Amino acid sequence: KQEVTQIPAALSVPEGENLVLNCSFTDSAIYNLQWFRQDPGKGLTSLLLIQSSQREQTSGRLNASLDKSSGRSTLYIAASQPGDSATYLCAVCYYGNKLVFGAGTILRVKS
Amino acid sequence: GAGVSQSPSNKVTEKGKDVELRCDPISGHTALYWYRQSLGQGLEFLIYFQGNSAPDKSGLPSDRFSAERTGGSVSTLTIQRTQQEDSAVYLCASSLNVRLTKNIQYFGAGTRLSVL
Repeated sequence: KQEVTQIPAALSVPEGENLVLNCSFTDSAIYNLQWFRQDPGKGLTSLLLIQSSQREQTSGRLNASLDKSSGRSTLYIAASQPGDSATYLCAVCYYGNKLVFGAGTILRVKS
Repeated sequence: GAGVSQSPSNKVTEKGKDVELRCDPISGHTALYWYRQSLGQGLEFLIYFQGNSAPDKSGLPSDRFSAERTGGSVSTLTIQRTQQEDSAVYLCASSLNVRLTKNIQYFGAGTRLSVL
């Protein structure tokens, strides 16, 4: 069964801290892995997509890594800001393009 | 349009009634996906379309759920004889083409369905 697990479930940090969100998946035959952000009452916003042949992707203060062999990905957020507060979802894309989501990490950045 | 549009944004219905949820994808996107987000289950895949065809319906929970897409654009998700466990947020996403390896899915804001 294709499962995605995210740790921690929730995280509260002071503004300015660097932080790491973790994602693990059971089936390594992936097309790609995506990190999304979800704000309350809103849809999902794509942050980064890492193709199965890649090791990492960067966008601004965000860096995502992928280790297919161990079934792990991390999302690194540098110099966190209150506006980063949201739920972060890891989703693994398998053949057929269906996304299998983790339960998410609820992030709160305190000012 | 500028993004994926879903309607209605909220729907309250009585148990046993049928409901239709609508999704307008981003113009030019050939792939369209339906997901469901509920408190107990997280975000789960329901069905996807490439053009008007649905190659993967594996996530539809029962035969009360059906979806169609016409003209390679608008899609409708229909739930017949709604049950309380159908209460959830139904999210639609679209992407340029399923055959791309870098196939970013863009999500709508969702329809919140409440079955009383």
